Amino acid sequence: GQNIDQPTEMTATEGAIVQINCTYQTSGFNGLFWYQQHAGEAPTFLSYNVLDGLEEKGRFSSFLSRSKGYSYLLLKELQMKDSASYLCAVSDSNYQLIWGAGTKLIIKP
Amino acid sequence: ETGVTQTPRHLVMGMTNKKSLKCEQHLGHNAMYWYKQSAKKPLELMFVYNFKEQTENNSVPSRFSPECPNSSHLFLHLHTLQPEDSALYLCASSPGTGGEYTEAFFGQGTRLTVV
Repeated sequence: GQNIDQPTEMTATEGAIVQINCTYQTSGFNGLFWYQQHAGEAPTFLSYNVLDGLEEKGRFSSFLSRSKGYSYLLLKELQMKDSASYLCAVSDSNYQLIWGAGTKLIIKP
Repeated sequence: ETGVTQTPRHLVMGMTNKKSLKCEQHLGHNAMYWYKQSAKKPLELMFVYNFKEQTENNSVPSRFSPECPNSSHLFLHLHTLQPEDSALYLCASSPGTGGEYTEAFFGQGTRLTVV
């Protein structure tokens, strides 16, 4: 079956760096997405990786290794507003999104 | 106005009630989706509409009935639900459903409680 694994919850300190990992086993691969979801709000798009390597976008970076079925989202200079759930999703061979359960990130002062 | 709007934001209904969830997108997208989000579980895709035609029904019970009158509007009709159907129901839209990178834009969801 298809599966996306990510940690359930992580805690980090304001101003620090945190890395949220995502591993996947899917039938085919057409890209990996990261979304951010604040409590009670809509998920919002953060990044998309389809080739191996690091994509940097301001304080957020996303890395992909297709051979390892692995991605991570790196958040730098953490701010309190970064407290949210981070969802990893893979587009499979049918371009259908397979979602992880999300990682709840708690930022402490 | 946000790109994808869902109403109502919150809904409490009895198991014998009939209610409908509404979704509207102002992005000119061709594909619309219903997802179910339960606590600590992955997003579950329920239905996909592409150019108003249903292209996906992920074994959803018949007590959930979608309707897509045009490419901007999507409804989810609910009847005789069960308490385990309580969840956040999210609507999303994207430019298309396949062959290319398709970022999905989500509404804020309807928090449904079945009593």
